[in-house]
Amino acid sequence: KAGVTQTPRYLIKTRGQQVTLSCSPISGHRSVSWYQQTPGQGLQFLFEYFSETQRNKGNFPGRFSGRQFSNSRSEMNVSTLELGDSALYLCASSPRTSGETQYFGPGTRLLVL
Amino acid sequence: EDKVVQSPLSLVVHEGDTVTLNCSYEVTNFRSLLWYKQEKKAPTFLFMLTSSGIEKKSGRLSSILDKKELFSILNITATQTGDSAIYLCAVASGAGSYQLTFGKGTKLSVIP
Repeated sequence: KAGVTQTPRYLIKTRGQQVTLSCSPISGHRSVSWYQQTPGQGLQFLFEYFSETQRNKGNFPGRFSGRQFSNSRSEMNVSTLELGDSALYLCASSPRTSGETQYFGPGTRLLVL
Repeated sequence: EDKVVQSPLSLVVHEGDTVTLNCSYEVTNFRSLLWYKQEKKAPTFLFMLTSSGIEKKSGRLSSILDKKELFSILNITATQTGDSAIYLCAVASGAGSYQLTFGKGTKLSVIP
């Protein structure tokens, strides 16, 4: 089975721009979660989608949004980028039948200048 | 607010040493505790623990959960340079849907 894939792998943007990141979960997995990882804060939960519905949301501003499509692929959007949004964005999928075990993709490294 | 604290934050050991990594937590509606290993890429799943006192083992790695004292340990015996990584502890919590709260990780460096 192919693992979780994320595109693009690297991205450079400037302040004020917006960005869209994509995540394709493992085949058959219906839950997709997004995380932001920075050296200072570690891994922080952004949101979780299951069957195209946002099931849970972390403590991030409204500039961070996401969606999930009927094939379980998910996108994350960040509008009006700030320097502090520079981070590794990780997507994880779960089959939801084996508890909370999540399988991570390689991440998208975003640099905001 | 859910909280997961890992210690130590970093550790340097020699090959062959045994190490113990700690994870304590304070969460509402605990469901499970998970350990991940992160090298220069995606975190890879190691263990999921839901019951107290039952050790999970995989090769040289083992982990146990204490739900009364709210902590878990990850042991690595006979360490190898390939064990060098950041070890992340996460707690799944929530009544219906859930979310994972991660600790900041322990950076383990194994030197020959």
